[in-house]
Amino acid sequence: AQSVAQPEDQVNVAEGNPLTVKCTYSVSGNPYLFWYVQYPNRGLQFLLKYITGDNLVKGSYGFEAEFNKSQTSFHLKKPSALVSDSALYFCAVRDGGSYIPTFGRGTSLIVHP
Amino acid sequence: EAQVTQNPRYLITVTGKKLTVTCSQNMNHEYMSWYRQDPGLGLRQIYYSMNVEVTDKGDVPEGYKVSRKEKRNFPLILESPSPNQTSLYFCASFGASHTGELFFGEGSRLTVL
Repeated sequence: AQSVAQPEDQVNVAEGNPLTVKCTYSVSGNPYLFWYVQYPNRGLQFLLKYITGDNLVKGSYGFEAEFNKSQTSFHLKKPSALVSDSALYFCAVRDGGSYIPTFGRGTSLIVHP
Repeated sequence: EAQVTQNPRYLITVTGKKLTVTCSQNMNHEYMSWYRQDPGLGLRQIYYSMNVEVTDKGDVPEGYKVSRKEKRNFPLILESPSPNQTSLYFCASFGASHTGELFFGEGSRLTVL
């Protein structure tokens, strides 16, 4: 079985400050991890993924995520937040060899001017 | 342009009136899936399809039907809609490489009165 937890329903950060959106996962095999972003009235867009290799993954719009196997985490980060980063962020996991992803409940990121 | 197209984007209907939400992708993807998004519940998978004529239930299939007669199309059918099917629906697809990310449509907001 596979599962994802996003422990924060909402994250608030001031523009220019670093941001972190947390994600922890559980899988029986090797994890394939993804982050997606959803802007208001839009579909989900892919940000970045970890399949194998370097634990620090860089993605779109200046976002990055760090895979931590011992803590089973895949937190999304950005060094300097923008107001335009305000959106809903979803973490997803697939057990290696499975085609079916499991999504977290989403975290609403609010960046204040 | 690679895309997943859903129609209609918005629909208000009444209980019991059959409706179909269409989904089409132009990327020759094998895997397609339907999700519903509800506040506080995140994304829940309704049905998915691994290829033509191959469909399977997701987490919340009750009250829905799907078909996959062609690779590019994956319509979602509500035979007798009820108010608890009022939701935001997303179609998504990805290709044969199971390390790939999902491509999402823009969503279909359905209201059942």
